[in-house]
Amino acid sequence: AQSVAQPEDQVNVAEGNPLTVKCTYSVSGNPYLFWYVQYPNRGLQFLLKYITGDNLVKGSYGFEAEFNKSQTSFHLKKPSALVSDSALYFCAVRDPRFSGSARQLTFGSGTQLTVLP
Amino acid sequence: DAGITQSPRYKITETGRQVTLMCHQTWSHSYMFWYRQDLGHGLRLIYYSAAADITDKGEVPDGYVVSRSKTENFPLTLESATRSQTSVYFCASTPADRGGEQYFGPGTRLTVT
Repeated sequence: AQSVAQPEDQVNVAEGNPLTVKCTYSVSGNPYLFWYVQYPNRGLQFLLKYITGDNLVKGSYGFEAEFNKSQTSFHLKKPSALVSDSALYFCAVRDPRFSGSARQLTFGSGTQLTVLP
Repeated sequence: DAGITQSPRYKITETGRQVTLMCHQTWSHSYMFWYRQDLGHGLRLIYYSAAADITDKGEVPDGYVVSRSKTENFPLTLESATRSQTSVYFCASTPADRGGEQYFGPGTRLTVT
């Protein structure tokens, strides 16, 4: 079974500082990994994904994530945080060995990021 | 407008009533999903569909029914609503030929009294 852990419910960072939102995963095979962002009263928006290739993945709004197979991690990062980055962030995983009807994503419980002005 | 829409956006109903939440997407994506979002649980998959007339259970299907007679629509029905089904419900879709990222609707906030 696949699973995702986001060990921090809340992350606070000052505007202009770098930010990291942590994610670890458990998948038997090579994972597909995703980050989503959710603003208040909105649906989830896709930020970036890792499928294969370069371990550093760049996504929307200046975010990037680093895939680390040995540590089974996929942390979300941004060099300089903005107040507008304050939102709820979800990590998700999919085991690509299961195709067809089993294209399910398993989501973490979410991390609330607050960027302080 | 193109995209994925949900209706209603807000719904209050009483215990025991039947409620249907609608989801419509204009991309012709093969796969569609229903999730519920509850504090401390993240998103949990209720049902999904690989194509019209093909549906399957997710993690928390009890008390819910789905159908998919057309590719673009994927309604979710609560046959007899219970207070434990108070939640925010999200519909999502993804095409068959992509890496699996899903595209979400704006959500329906359902309160069962």
